[in-house]
Amino acid sequence: DQQVKQNSPSLSVQEGRISILNCDYTNSMFDYFLWYKKYPAEGPTFLISISSIKDKNEDGRFTVFLNKSAKHLSLHIVPSQPGDSAVYFCAASPNTGGFKTIFGAGTRLFVKA
Amino acid sequence: KAGVTQTPRYLIKTRGQQVTLSCSPISGHRSVSWYQQTPGQGLQFLFEYFSETQRNKGNFPGRFSGRQFSNSRSEMNVSTLELGDSALYLCASSIGQGLDEQFFGPGTRLTVL
Repeated sequence: DQQVKQNSPSLSVQEGRISILNCDYTNSMFDYFLWYKKYPAEGPTFLISISSIKDKNEDGRFTVFLNKSAKHLSLHIVPSQPGDSAVYFCAASPNTGGFKTIFGAGTRLFVKA
Repeated sequence: KAGVTQTPRYLIKTRGQQVTLSCSPISGHRSVSWYQQTPGQGLQFLFEYFSETQRNKGNFPGRFSGRQFSNSRSEMNVSTLELGDSALYLCASSIGQGLDEQFFGPGTRLTVL
């Protein structure tokens, strides 16, 4: 039972354009959502998060949008850069006082120069 | 500030054996979470420790166990290894107050023959 789904295994975008990575979840108990970036041979790196009380959070080129009614979130990267090429994981956690994070399967982003 | 360290980085075991993996969190971090990453399943949450107590647990069999020491270092143990336990085991640390940012280590690559 996949509670967090990233239905696109890969995405290819031209440098300078917008990258949109999507994520769907099924568990209504999730109230904290995160995006991680992972390069080969390294652990995931935290990118941006959003609490369920918000519908948007922005950090530089990265913006995460949350649509609670649709149980959907997306990560926008504008403008995309070749260094953004990596695997992006969507993750969600209920607020249990700590982490019980469920990750999606990841989307591999290719940014072409 | 030193990052999260995991030892060993690579490990080869045979079926039926047991294994212990170690994680040293960032200094000052009291929460340590463990994840299993496999090509087909993505990152799967194993458990989270905070102040030497297991605070959250994923859906793994009892062969997977862990503990945390007073200095916040954590160990994960897998007994009676199975071929399907071959994976990258990642540890992540955080300050531990609510759902703050997690920092991941590089992982331990376990191969079960």
